[in-house]
Amino acid sequence: KAGVTQTPRYLIKTRGQQVTLSCSPISGHRSVSWYQQTPGQGLQFLFEYFSETQRNKGNFPGRFSGRQFSNSRSEMNVSTLELGDSALYLCASSSTQTGGTEAFFGQGTRLTVV
Amino acid sequence: GQQVMQIPQYQHVQEGEDFTTYCNSSTTLSNIQWYKQRPGGHPVFLIQLVKSGEVKKQKRLTFQFGEAKKNSSLHITATQTTDVGTYFCAGRRSGGYQKVTFGIGTKLQVIP
Repeated sequence: KAGVTQTPRYLIKTRGQQVTLSCSPISGHRSVSWYQQTPGQGLQFLFEYFSETQRNKGNFPGRFSGRQFSNSRSEMNVSTLELGDSALYLCASSSTQTGGTEAFFGQGTRLTVV
Repeated sequence: GQQVMQIPQYQHVQEGEDFTTYCNSSTTLSNIQWYKQRPGGHPVFLIQLVKSGEVKKQKRLTFQFGEAKKNSSLHITATQTTDVGTYFCAGRRSGGYQKVTFGIGTKLQVIP
């Protein structure tokens, strides 16, 4: 079965712009989580969605938002981009609540803010 | 909030030597998972530990979950160049919808 698909793979944006990233989970998976990965900071939890409801949110400013659709696909949006938002953004899907079972990660979206 | 500390952050070993990475949580965990991320890749699930004192083995990899369910370790025996990558632990507290907290990861370099 197809894995987790994230689009786009690479993005270059200018400070102040906004960006939307997309994640298509494995078919049948209802849980999608988003993470920001930067060198030296590891994987920082952004948010988790389960059946279209946000179940958990990490310690990120309100510029970071997300949503999940009825087909479990998820998007995250970052508004008013800052240089520090440059990172690899990973989404992970699982069949149950995140952390309860194996999470499958996508290849990530590499965002560069200039 | 919950913190998961992981040490060491970096480890260089000669091929054939053993390697261990440790995770410690500030709170009792419902379970702990381990992931491996190869350079340029994405994290890939290795294993999940749930029970207090649990020990699981996958070939040369041994995973342990502490009795108090607050710490865990991953031990690799006789490392190979294919073991290169960053190993992450990820813990989740029990009760309701708790978020998963990842350790900072241990980057393993194996010198042939």
